[in-house]
Amino acid sequence: GQQVMQIPQYQHVQEGEDFTTYCNSSTTLSNIQWYKQRPGGHPVFLIQLVKSGEVKKQKRLTFQFGEAKKNSSLHITATQTTDVGTYFCAGRYSGGGADGLTFGKGTHLIIQP
Amino acid sequence: NAGVTQTPKFQVLKTGQSMTLQCAQDMNHNSMYWYRQDPGMGLRLIYYSASEGTTDKGEVPNGYNVSRLNKREFSLRLESAAPSQTSVYFCASIRLSTGGTEAFFGQGTRLTVV
Repeated sequence: GQQVMQIPQYQHVQEGEDFTTYCNSSTTLSNIQWYKQRPGGHPVFLIQLVKSGEVKKQKRLTFQFGEAKKNSSLHITATQTTDVGTYFCAGRYSGGGADGLTFGKGTHLIIQP
Repeated sequence: NAGVTQTPKFQVLKTGQSMTLQCAQDMNHNSMYWYRQDPGMGLRLIYYSASEGTTDKGEVPNGYNVSRLNKREFSLRLESAAPSQTSVYFCASIRLSTGGTEAFFGQGTRLTVV
């Protein structure tokens, strides 16, 4: 089946440092979404990217979709303790089982004050 | 608008017991999914339902059964619980359209099998 590889699995940063997580697919995606899960919570939708080369920003968060629509990144500038959690990407493929929706394994962001 | 309602929130079972996790959505979505989440394993798909009346196996279906009772409800059943099924279970309702995709998750069920 389709796979979305997400790295790193864990990232420790000092508060105020930047953070980036990456997702890669071996095949072209129709779109990619990003979700955030706070400790003890459930994943919550952050954003969707659809177009090749698309860049979207939400305050300190910048999301990019690669030109080939096979990779994506989430970058957080100047992390804050409220950014703690696990960030998941989810790629949607044309066709395939499970509506072609595949989640990455997630990146756990740990912030040290 | 309740979104996705998942019950129960917590459950402790003895090995061999059975139980059903309930999930209901009020967003009129066709697609509903069940995931389990274990430390370091991310979200693993157990079963999904692309529309009312259809269900399909995901990545880790063994030991589980599902029922898509109607468009709103998608339940997950453990017939004979095992300690390996200790996990956090999430139900998700998926909005799929030409405009894009968005998954809405329930609050989760924290299941412990002893």
